[in-house]
Amino acid sequence: AQSVTQLDSQVPVFEEAPVELRCNYSSSVSVYLFWYVQYPNQGLQLLLKYLSGSTLVESINGFEAEFNKSQTSFHLRKPSVHISDTAEYFCAVAPTSGTYKYIFGTGTRLKVLA
Amino acid sequence: SAVISQKPSRDICQRGTSLTIQCQVDSQVTMMFWYRQQPGQSLTLIATANQGSEATYESGFVIDKFPISRPNLTFSTLTVSNMSPEDSSIYLCSVETGTEAFFGQGTRLTVV
Repeated sequence: AQSVTQLDSQVPVFEEAPVELRCNYSSSVSVYLFWYVQYPNQGLQLLLKYLSGSTLVESINGFEAEFNKSQTSFHLRKPSVHISDTAEYFCAVAPTSGTYKYIFGTGTRLKVLA
Repeated sequence: SAVISQKPSRDICQRGTSLTIQCQVDSQVTMMFWYRQQPGQSLTLIATANQGSEATYESGFVIDKFPISRPNLTFSTLTVSNMSPEDSSIYLCSVETGTEAFFGQGTRLTVV
């Protein structure tokens, strides 16, 4: 079985400041890792994913996440946030084999302040 | 990639009634998934819908409460039956292609 823990339910941060959203997971099998973003009144969109290879993955809008196997973490970071980054962010895992049953964290609401 | 159209986007329903949510995908997919997103909680998988067979429900969800149809490879419906205020949630349709999940915009359901 898998589980995902997002320790911070809300993260307020000032514009242009750095941010880190934490994600830890537990799994008895090999998993893929994902970050999804949900803007107000919209569906979930994939932000970035780790499948294999380099443990540092990046998105096109400046976010990055690093897979740390020893700490079973996949924290999301951005060096300088914008007002438009205000959204809810979900960390998720899915087994690498079998059906892709995603397990989601409870989400972190990022609020960027002017 | 996949584009998913889900409707209605939101609804307010009386307790005891039923609501059917529709999900249309722009490509043929084997499996479609239905999730529930409750405030302050994780997205929870309700069931997996395969075309031509009965849906597979996760623990805690039953067919009588959440009947699902999957008439073809691009369409599925989820019905929330005999609703109570505890059913107030966002319901999401999803498909997975390769190693990525795509989601509809969700149906925000309020039961009064």
